[in-house]
Amino acid sequence: EAQVTQNPRYLITVTGKKLTVTCSQNMNHEYMSWYRQDPGLGLRQIYYSMNVEVTDKGDVPEGYKVSRKEKRNFPLILESPSPNQTSLYFCASSSYRDGYTFGSGTRLTVV
Amino acid sequence: ILNVEQSPQSLHVQEGDSTNFTCSFPSSNFYALHWYRWETAKSPEALFVMTLNGDEKKKGRISATLNTKEGYSYLYIKGSQPEDSATYLCAFHSGTYKYIFGTGTRLKVLA
Repeated sequence: EAQVTQNPRYLITVTGKKLTVTCSQNMNHEYMSWYRQDPGLGLRQIYYSMNVEVTDKGDVPEGYKVSRKEKRNFPLILESPSPNQTSLYFCASSSYRDGYTFGSGTRLTVV
Repeated sequence: ILNVEQSPQSLHVQEGDSTNFTCSFPSSNFYALHWYRWETAKSPEALFVMTLNGDEKKKGRISATLNTKEGYSYLYIKGSQPEDSATYLCAFHSGTYKYIFGTGTRLKVLA
């Protein structure tokens, strides 16, 4: 089954404790992206990747890092999480022509 | 700053009613317009990817039209059913690697 697998689904952490949200796709898509969803603001792009070792900032990249060492994986790293990063996060991949396939989402709470 | 607006923000319709909503986007540098359906507690799912001015796409009771010259797209649902209740998102793609999402139209179909 074609899918984007995102883990974990839920995460509660403390301020400053580094965390990684994993994302993996099995569709051989070149393009992958991370979004955050906050009430009233819509989906905002954090980072995207056009291919292996090629990444770029989206609209809200501050406080986040990404890497794309393999085509299928695109982890999101929060080096020092803060409460304003409490949000619902989605990973997505695309063939660039067919629209996004989204992961199941990660609800992150930073206390 | 590129802006994508959707209207209305929310609406309630009776089962069997037909309804439509609007996505407005920049009329310059157009590459594609995506529509997604997002049910509560799930991930957004792609409905349509529209690329040509005058495009009309249909999937069951849902259809969409595109006017790139004036920068709008309409999504229509014919004979709404309770299972159509969801948030409908549009996303503007300018041909760069960034997608800009609207904040969505939340549809509730009352049985």
